[in-house]
Amino acid sequence: GAGVSQSPRYKVAKRGQDVALRCDPISGHVSLFWYQQALGQGPEFLTYFQNEAQLDKSGLPSDRFFAERPEGSVSTLKIQRTQQEDSAVYLCASSSLVGYEQYFGPGTRLTVT
Amino acid sequence: AQKITQTQPGMFVQEKEAVTLDCTYDTSDQSYGLFWYKQPSSGEMIFLIYQGSYDEQNATEGRYSLNFQKARKSANLVISASQLGDSAMYFCAMRDLSGGYQKVTFGTGTKLQVIP
Repeated sequence: GAGVSQSPRYKVAKRGQDVALRCDPISGHVSLFWYQQALGQGPEFLTYFQNEAQLDKSGLPSDRFFAERPEGSVSTLKIQRTQQEDSAVYLCASSSLVGYEQYFGPGTRLTVT
Repeated sequence: AQKITQTQPGMFVQEKEAVTLDCTYDTSDQSYGLFWYKQPSSGEMIFLIYQGSYDEQNATEGRYSLNFQKARKSANLVISASQLGDSAMYFCAMRDLSGGYQKVTFGTGTKLQVIP
């Protein structure tokens, strides 16, 4: 399809495990964003990439969170030593450099037990 | 810093009636964009409508219109002729347009339920 895809859609991790969440943006989209959405809340910004450069990581909640986009297309959000408070839906969005609209993926629901 | 406030946690509307979802915002930026997104229970965020801070006219997209009152810093969403499929969470969001960086700040959302 032509939209943003994310995998896995659901992930259950035991506390202390590392997880990796993948985002495939729309082809040609320069900008890529990661958001965290806790239950009953709006999405909260985590980090932003322009091509392969991570221009803003101010929203990452701790140094256990790490994101990369090495070739300027697919991005991975990694969470090390997961904690229960990391349970949330992780949304990825992409946009063109000049467009105002962000296109969201379906999200990955992470549950840490 | 930007802030979005949605004061209605939940709203009910009768099918075929119109409904207004409230959104107020706070920013010191002169150039910004305002968005509304719909999030059904399936989880995806669906873009509905956009309003730029310098746009003279209120934005409209089909049954959606944005009631933009710049002096009051409000950007309410109006849905006309509600349908059962409109039942979802609705998020107001904004983005600073001045620096080219597209970080978006979201409100806490309003859960809309359309009653048959």
